[in-house]
Amino acid sequence: QKEVEQNSGPLSVPEGAIASLNCTYSDRGSQSFFWYRQYSGKSPELIMFIYSNGDKEDGRFTAQLNKASQYVSLLIRDSQPSDSATYLCAPRDSNYQLIWGAGTKLIIKP
Amino acid sequence: ETGVTQTPRHLVMGMTNKKSLKCEQHLGHNAMYWYKQSAKKPLELMFVYSLEERVENNSVPSRFSPECPNSSHLFLHLHTLQPEDSALYLCASSQEAGAISGANVLTFGAGSRLTVL
Repeated sequence: QKEVEQNSGPLSVPEGAIASLNCTYSDRGSQSFFWYRQYSGKSPELIMFIYSNGDKEDGRFTAQLNKASQYVSLLIRDSQPSDSATYLCAPRDSNYQLIWGAGTKLIIKP
Repeated sequence: ETGVTQTPRHLVMGMTNKKSLKCEQHLGHNAMYWYKQSAKKPLELMFVYSLEERVENNSVPSRFSPECPNSSHLFLHLHTLQPEDSALYLCASSQEAGAISGANVLTFGAGSRLTVL
């Protein structure tokens, strides 16, 4: 059974601070990793994806990947109240299908 | 219309009813998906269609019946559902179904909230 583990939260972060969201996965065959954001009552939307070990930056967002540790994270710098949402981690398995975590609820406090 | 459109947004049905969910994508994508989202659970992949051909069926009960008449439209026919089927049903599309790189990035519709009484 392929699994993706995320802390359900809620993770509470002060406005302007760095929010750190973590994800571990069981399928060593996973080669690419996606982060989606889902606002309450809305559908998921892609934030970014990463293939290679290390960091990938896109604006205030940085994805970090460590395949040896089967760990992927998402950092949000200068957190804003509009970043309050549930963040879904989704590795793509060796069959090219996404395996979803249950998500971490992030609350940015003004 | 742009993106992925789902109708109806909300549906309440009895266990003996027959209803359908509709999804339409205006992105020129070749793959379409049905997902089920229940509270505090991971997204569950139900069906995948690539160029109108079903390529994935994740052991979904037969009371859910998908239909993909063309690459832009996807339906989920519902009959004799159970209360535990109440959930948010999300349609998504991607450029390709089983590809490397960004071609597999999903674009979701707004979802159909289903309540089974």
